Amino acid sequence: AQSVTQPDIHITVSEGASLELRCNYSYGATPYLFWYVQSPGQGLQLLLKYFSGDTLVQGIKGFEAEFKRSQSSFNLRKPSVHWSDAAEYFCAVQSGANNLFFGTGTRLTVIP
Amino acid sequence: SAVISQKPSRDICQRGTSLTIQCQVDSQVTMMFWYRQQPGQSLTLIATANQGSEATYESGFVIDKFPISRPNLTFSTLTVSNMSPEDSSIYLCSVVQGAGYTFGSGTRLTVV
Repeated sequence: AQSVTQPDIHITVSEGASLELRCNYSYGATPYLFWYVQSPGQGLQLLLKYFSGDTLVQGIKGFEAEFKRSQSSFNLRKPSVHWSDAAEYFCAVQSGANNLFFGTGTRLTVIP
Repeated sequence: SAVISQKPSRDICQRGTSLTIQCQVDSQVTMMFWYRQQPGQSLTLIATANQGSEATYESGFVIDKFPISRPNLTFSTLTVSNMSPEDSSIYLCSVVQGAGYTFGSGTRLTVV
């Protein structure tokens, strides 16, 4: 069965510092992987997705993620965090039935 | 990508009552999804709604509690019936179109 693990519940970084949010998945076939961001009181916004091809995926707002099949990981990165990046981040995997399975999320706090 | 209008954005309801949430999409889509996000939790798929057929519910969710309508390819409703405080959550609709999922901004429900 498919599952998504985000081992970090809460991360705090200083503005301007680099960021990496971890995501590990379990899925029998080639996964379709997503990262979403949810700002307080808002819906979900797609940051980036991986379906196939280049394993380094570029997204919006300066985010990127790298798919590593050998590690079953799809970690999200940003070289320099802005205060507006403070939000909840969700990794998700799509099953063959068009269902999205979400991780438990990582809450990002950005300090000045 | 599709634009989703979801309403109400929030509501406070008395226990034992029902609330119907509406989701309107600006283009025709085959599949619509309803998710629940309990406080501090990730998103859990409630059901998949296809036009012209009964919704398909995930384990732990039943039609009597969460009846869904899908009268056409651009609209769906989710009703939360006989509410209890445990139903306090954010409810989101989602559509898949092409290579991506789009989410509504969510309905924040508080049951008192």
